[in-house]
Amino acid sequence: DAMVIQNPRYQVTQFGKPVTLSCSQTLNHNVMYWYQQKSSQAPKLLFHYYDKDFNNEADTPDNFQSRRPNTSFCFLDIRSPGLGDAAMYLCATSSNQGATNEKLFFGSGTQLSVL
Amino acid sequence: DQQVKQNSPSLSVQEGRISILNCDYTNSMFDYFLWYKKYPAEGPTFLISISSIKDKNEDGRFTVFLNKSAKHLSLHIVPSQPGDSAVYFCAATHFNDMRFGAGTRLTVKP
Repeated sequence: DAMVIQNPRYQVTQFGKPVTLSCSQTLNHNVMYWYQQKSSQAPKLLFHYYDKDFNNEADTPDNFQSRRPNTSFCFLDIRSPGLGDAAMYLCATSSNQGATNEKLFFGSGTQLSVL
Repeated sequence: DQQVKQNSPSLSVQEGRISILNCDYTNSMFDYFLWYKKYPAEGPTFLISISSIKDKNEDGRFTVFLNKSAKHLSLHIVPSQPGDSAVYFCAATHFNDMRFGAGTRLTVKP
């Protein structure tokens, strides 16, 4: 089945130690998103790629970076994780063709803990 | 700023009754609205949507109502089933910008 896969499911890192979260998709969608969700809060959009075009949200900290080497893969890099970065990180895709009425397909998320 | 709000963190209903989940938004640029359902340990999955040019969309037991003047939408589930127990996220979008509410945890009791 076509899907969005996030690895790992759980990630533990140390304060200040760089960490990379991975996302892959078999849907061949051109748009990929990274959301951060803290407990009982709304998923917060960090950035998205429209094909290779990177779009950063204005309030996304510089500590967060992303790479999309090809259509299928997207990575979230946290350069120096702080305790406040502990959260669920959700990757999503959409087949946006310029229309507004596109739904997102989500992965199962990576739960990041910072010790 | 929270552009999409779900003011009820939780809702409990009896099996067979109606569940009504509410959502408010502030940005009048939003022109497409969606509901997602999330089970534990899974990502959100799309449930139902509505365009801003409509006021109602129905899909089986699920109906979404949109009141543009009030910037309010609601999801009705009739009849509610225990398998509907999940967290429901409201989302609003304009092009690639999709914003979510904090979710409402629905519990349907047998």
